[in-house]
Amino acid sequence: AAGVIQSPRHLIKEKRETATLKCYPIPRHDTVYWYQQGPGQDPQFLISFYEKMQSDKGSIPDRFSAQQFSDYHSELNMSSLELGDSALYFCASSLSDIPYNEQFFGPGTRLTVL
Amino acid sequence: AQSVAQPEDQVNVAEGNPLTVKCTYSVSGNPYLFWYVQYPNRGLQFLLKYITGDNLVKGSYGFEAEFNKSQTSFHLKKPSALVSDSALYFCAVRGISGNTGKLIFGQGTTLQVKP
Repeated sequence: AAGVIQSPRHLIKEKRETATLKCYPIPRHDTVYWYQQGPGQDPQFLISFYEKMQSDKGSIPDRFSAQQFSDYHSELNMSSLELGDSALYFCASSLSDIPYNEQFFGPGTRLTVL
Repeated sequence: AQSVAQPEDQVNVAEGNPLTVKCTYSVSGNPYLFWYVQYPNRGLQFLLKYITGDNLVKGSYGFEAEFNKSQTSFHLKKPSALVSDSALYFCAVRGISGNTGKLIFGQGTTLQVKP
């Protein structure tokens, strides 16, 4: 079965650079969530989209922005990168933004900021 | 505010023995509860969920979880542990008080199953 695809899998950037993370949800899934997992920490919700509209926002820095496109893939844009942005970034998708639907996670993008 | 707590950083079990990974929650209203497993350098895999109904929920790979409303707990269990079950386990909750589907995770519990 098709899973959530994230690219790139690994990314190394310098401080103050920008990064773009991409997420391709499971076919027919219209909802995408982004999470950030720091070393040894639990995933923290950043932002979500349902039918190409932002549906919820968590602890996402103003330096980050995201959108969902017409084909339901999503991109997380990160600017003015800081050392503390080094983390594993997960994208998850679900069928509709309904609380009892489980989310399916991608393999993550490991971002390292030097 | 909704929250989830996993009181144990690590659980050690011998292969073949039963295992329990603990989770307690705090939400307003009825909760939707989930368990996910994370293997090293991998994404989170869905194991099971509680929505309503039977308090004992069965999930993937022989795991089950028991919902206890009075104790606000949702402990993950397996009758006979395998070495391959060794991983990081996260309990997560979503409330139903008008918010969207974001997950709120516990701190995670590392399960170590020894041969």
